[in-house]
Amino acid sequence: RKEVEQDPGPFNVPEGATVAFNCTYSNSASQSFFWYRQDCRKEPKLLMSVYSSGNEDGRFTAQLNRASQYISLLIRDSKLSDSATYLCVVMPISGGYNKLIFGAGTRLAVHP
Amino acid sequence: DAGITQSPRHKVTETGTPVTLRCHQTENHRYMYWYRQDPGHGLRLIHYSYGVKDTDKGEVSDGYSVSRSKTEDFLLTLESATSSQTSVYFCAISARAGGTNEQFFGPGTRLTVL
Repeated sequence: RKEVEQDPGPFNVPEGATVAFNCTYSNSASQSFFWYRQDCRKEPKLLMSVYSSGNEDGRFTAQLNRASQYISLLIRDSKLSDSATYLCVVMPISGGYNKLIFGAGTRLAVHP
Repeated sequence: DAGITQSPRHKVTETGTPVTLRCHQTENHRYMYWYRQDPGHGLRLIHYSYGVKDTDKGEVSDGYSVSRSKTEDFLLTLESATSSQTSVYFCAISARAGGTNEQFFGPGTRLTVL
């Protein structure tokens, strides 16, 4: 079983739609959680950290459910520019030097 | 954008040849990492460094070695390249370990081993 699992998609949605991705992780002792965004043939970039109480950044909302070991990302009012792959990232508590475990990503395609 | 460059950006080589990839940063960050990214897999850590001359193995370190003689440079060497090492290689840096510290990634090197 992979340590971090994501639905690869693609999620094809029209502009203005709301879309949600989930990600599950296997290590119950995981400490920190993130969503990264990766555009085609580019490097990953941090989108947002995920806090226990949930957090929002503009159109993006991230939630953490430790009991069920999943995190989610909600995108409201989708834009064409949101088309990318979204990587779920977990930092295990025993990871030491900021070792990150990456999911394989969920691809989002927003169309006009 | 964080000052991270990788060279070369693209390379095609033959099985059995040595290959060295370079990561250069201008941020003076202590931690540096090498990952590979393959279809169907998340980024996987190859090696990382926590200071000059201080390195350690990641989850997929077999067939790779690294060196860090200066804060700004982190080299990844494939001693004898194999087709299974065809991949996209990303270097990353971070100022600190742990917590919510962000890792910044370089633009990547696309390596093809024939």
